[in-house]
Order: sequence, then structure tokens, then C-alpha cells
Amino acid sequence: GDSVTQTEGLVTVTEGLPVMLNCTYQTAYSDVAFFWYVQYLNEAPKLLLRSSTDNKRTEHQGFHATLHKSSSSFHLQKSSVQLSDSALYYCALKATSSGQKLVFGQGTILKVYL
Amino acid sequence: EAAVTQSPRNKVAVTGGKVTLSCNQTNNHNNMYWYRQDTGHGLRLIHYSYGAGSTEKGDIPDGYKASRPSQENFSLILELATPSQTSVYFCASGDAKGGNSDYTFGSGTRLLVI
Repeated sequence: GDSVTQTEGLVTVTEGLPVMLNCTYQTAYSDVAFFWYVQYLNEAPKLLLRSSTDNKRTEHQGFHATLHKSSSSFHLQKSSVQLSDSALYYCALKATSSGQKLVFGQGTILKVYL
Repeated sequence: EAAVTQSPRNKVAVTGGKVTLSCNQTNNHNNMYWYRQDTGHGLRLIHYSYGAGSTEKGDIPDGYKASRPSQENFSLILELATPSQTSVYFCASGDAKGGNSDYTFGSGTRLLVI
């Protein structure tokens, strides 16, 4: 079945520095969309950005990600993190042909320090 | 405003007891989903539904039942609760059209089984 892998459980970074959260995937489907969700403490996950177009950069709230089907990756990046970016981040995929089910990675906690 | 509402927000249950988690959506979405969230595992799909009267097994259905009596309501039932079912449970609704459409998540139910 489909799977999403986030290799880092915790990423710590100093405020103002760049960050990249890794996301790779496996899927047998071609009609697939990819998502990054952000979850703050005691809140629901909410959509950060999404893409289904190969090699196209998608941006939202200072974060960006580019889907690379050649390497099965959808890494999340930000050039200058802020304290308020500290949260749990999920990468996910959804294949139209597999019932619209979102498949999530394990999640990466981002902690930003002064 | 369209929303997904879960009840209760917090629940303490006794081992062997029956627990029902409720979810109501006003998005008029056909699809609804139940996930549980555990550290190191991310969000895992328990059951989902394509509409009133329909329920499907997700990736970890054992020990859980689901009920979709109407378009708006989707319940998760633990007939014989066990401590291993202690978790945070999220309900979500989604558009059946597919593509880049994302989910709307509820605020979660924190369940403790003692």
C-alpha cells in the first residue's frame, strides 16, 4: 500500500536559520496529491500546503515545497524560521483511486530556539 | 461556518467498558474518517465512510466499529475498551471529488482507558 516516511522525529533549529523537513513516499498510483499539515499543541491538524504537480514549487506562510516524482520526495523548507513555527508537521498523500484516504507520515516535531 | 465537531473532548473509560466517540460535520462532505494519533506513529486510519450507511475498514480497524447513520454523523465505537486504545482520536470530513481537496479535522477526543 501507499506509505509516507518522515525520517526525523525531532528537528531543532535556531530562530532565523533555515530548515528542511524530509518527506519521501511510496505509491503505485499516478493520480496522487501531496500535503503538509501543521499541528500546534492541543489543536487539530490544519493544511499548510499541497501539490500534485511535478517539479512545481508551492508556497504558503513562508514555507515551500516542491514535488519531485523522480526521487519520490516532497520536502518542506523555510528560509528563516520563527519561534511561532514550533509545531508538529505531517507529510501526507492522497490517491484518488484509493478512496480519497489521506496517508500520513510519522510526523516531525519542529522546535525553534532563540 | 462549515465545521467538524467531536464529542466528548476528553473521556476516561474503564477497561472492558463500551465507549462511543461522536463526530458531526456541517460541510456536506460525503466522506468521513476516524484517525488515532500516537507519538511515533503519526495519524493512522481506523475507519472511514463514503456516505450514510457506509463504513469501511482502514489500516487499524481491530477493536473498533463505526457507524454512519446520516450524512452529518459518524461515530467510532469501542465495544470492549482496552488500555492500548488510550490515544487522541480525530474525526475528519473530505470532499469525494478528489484531487487536491483536503480534509477538515475536528478538534480531537482525548481518550484514557484505565
